Amino acid sequence: QKEVEQNSGPLSVPEGAIASLNCTYSDRGSQSFFWYRQYSGKSPELIMFIYSNGDKEDGRFTAQLNKASQYVSLLIRDSQPSDSATYLCAVNMFKNTGGFKTIFGAGTRLFVKA
Amino acid sequence: NAGVTQTPKFQVLKTGQSMTLQCAQDMNHNSMYWYRQDPGMGLRLIYYSASEGTTDKGEVPNGYNVSRLNKREFSLRLESAAPSQTSVYFCASTGQGDGNQPQHFGDGTRLSIL
Repeated sequence: QKEVEQNSGPLSVPEGAIASLNCTYSDRGSQSFFWYRQYSGKSPELIMFIYSNGDKEDGRFTAQLNKASQYVSLLIRDSQPSDSATYLCAVNMFKNTGGFKTIFGAGTRLFVKA
Repeated sequence: NAGVTQTPKFQVLKTGQSMTLQCAQDMNHNSMYWYRQDPGMGLRLIYYSASEGTTDKGEVPNGYNVSRLNKREFSLRLESAAPSQTSVYFCASTGQGDGNQPQHFGDGTRLSIL
């Protein structure tokens, strides 16, 4: 089992719809969760982070975290063609020896059709 | 607003050649990372440095060496390049914290090994 898993997609939604991106992780002790957006040929950029169970909203984006089920999701409301990109889920997993490591999922490709 | 700067942006090498990829950050971050990104594989950690003077192996360290020259700079060296090392390489840095800090990425180095 991969430490962080995402559906590779592509996920295709019409403009104005809600896009739902999901991510599961293996380490139950993980504390920090991040969503990055990556346009083709560009570097990843932070969209949202979440530390606590529940929902966190920022504009059209909502991150949802369920630690009991070990999944984190990203909802994009009113999807726009400019949202078409690969979305990377990242999880900070703490190590027994101290410190932490960041594990990225393989990413989900999102296409928003005009 | 330089953030994380990587050089070079593009490079073509022949099998067996050596090369050093440079990375510098101006955000006074403690932790720095080197990732490689291959199609469909997401970001895979090569090496990281939690603080000046320390380095640790990541998921795919074989064939690479790193140097944390000072707090600002973290270089990645390929001693004898192989075609399997053709990839996009990203450097990232993280501010000091308890594992809840996101990563800031450079623009990447696109490396081809012939």
